[in-house]
Amino acid sequence: KQEVTQIPAALSVPEGENLVLNCSFTDSAIYNLQWFRQDPGKGLTSLLLIQSSQREQTSGRLNASLDKSSGRSTLYIAASQPGDSATYLCAVVPGNAGNMLTFGGGTRLMVKP
Amino acid sequence: EPEVTQTPSHQVTQMGQEVILRCVPISNHLYFYWYRQILGQKVEFLVSFYNNEISEKSEIFDDQFSVERPDGSNFTLKIRSTKLEDSAMYFCASSERTVQETQYFGPGTRLLVL
Repeated sequence: KQEVTQIPAALSVPEGENLVLNCSFTDSAIYNLQWFRQDPGKGLTSLLLIQSSQREQTSGRLNASLDKSSGRSTLYIAASQPGDSATYLCAVVPGNAGNMLTFGGGTRLMVKP
Repeated sequence: EPEVTQTPSHQVTQMGQEVILRCVPISNHLYFYWYRQILGQKVEFLVSFYNNEISEKSEIFDDQFSVERPDGSNFTLKIRSTKLEDSAMYFCASSERTVQETQYFGPGTRLLVL
């Protein structure tokens, strides 16, 4: 059964710092990996999707990488801003199980002004 | 930009009552999903729906749950007889064509069962 883990569970950084969020998954047979942002009490906003054949995806200050063989992905946030404060979730679509997303527990990020 | 919408945003119900949660997926999307998030826990998959039938469901999605696409725009989740442990945030999502595409989530319905 696919398990997704995110470390750290919480992170606090000063504004302007570059930071890396980590995601690991136990079964490397995945279709894709998606990073989401969740604000308190709100829905999930899709940030980036990486297909299993890709190594990285970029959107603005965000860069996500995927190392499928080692079961790892990282989300790099450049020049962090207070508005980046949120919980960041990663989720994978297992390669042997249709289209369900399996989520990690998230990293709660606080960027201090 | 098109988005997934959900109603109601909050629902309070008594244990044993039936509830229907409603979703309007993005209009040209073909795959629809329900997920839930119990407070403080991971987001969990419930069910996926394609071509007017369930394509996949999790162990959570037992006989108390059902989904329906009653018309060309709505997608509903019904819980027949709610339990205290059904209290959670329920998210609807949709994707355009295949499993390899981005799933777009709605804002959620917070369900509280008393």
